[in-house]
Amino acid sequence: KQEVTQIPAALSVPEGENLVLNCSFTDSAIYNLQWFRQDPGKGLTSLLLIQSSQREQTSGRLNASLDKSSGRSTLYIAASQPGDSATYLCAVGGGGGGTSYGKLTFGQGTILTVHP
Amino acid sequence: KAGVTQTPRYLIKTRGQQVTLSCSPISGHRSVSWYQQTPGQGLQFLFEYFSETQRNKGNFPGRFSGRQFSNSRSEMNVSTLELGDSALYLCASSLRGGIGELFFGEGSRLTVL
Repeated sequence: KQEVTQIPAALSVPEGENLVLNCSFTDSAIYNLQWFRQDPGKGLTSLLLIQSSQREQTSGRLNASLDKSSGRSTLYIAASQPGDSATYLCAVGGGGGGTSYGKLTFGQGTILTVHP
Repeated sequence: KAGVTQTPRYLIKTRGQQVTLSCSPISGHRSVSWYQQTPGQGLQFLFEYFSETQRNKGNFPGRFSGRQFSNSRSEMNVSTLELGDSALYLCASSLRGGIGELFFGEGSRLTVL
């Protein structure tokens, strides 16, 4: 069974700080990893997708890395802004045996607050 | 390009009733997945459909069912509602047959009284 853990559970930082969110997974036989953002009461917005053959992906102030062999990913947010406040979710596709179609295994998320 | 559309956005039901939720995927996407999100359990996979066929199913009781139509639109149904079914139900679509990047809708918030 694939299990995903995110650390920390919550993070509060002043505006302008660079920060790192961590994600670990138990089965390294994944085909991809996605980072999502969720605002309160809303759906999930895809931030970055890393295929299992890739080491990192970048989009604007966001950079995600993947170390499949150690079962870890990090999401780096540069120069944080109050608008970055949200819950950040890490999800892996594959691993844990069984069929993988359409199935992502999610972590519990990191609640990020960026205060002015 | 329109995103994933889910209806209704909010609904209230009572125990024992049934509910049907609808999802329209991104144009051209043929894979649709459903997830349940609750404060206690987080996001859990319900099932996935591709070309009107269920290819994958999560660990939920048989009260949870779904289907997909020829235009890729999908519905999920929950029968004999229980209080614990109160949740945000999220639909996601994928271009690469369900193993690629998933794009989520805004969800349907179900409250069971």
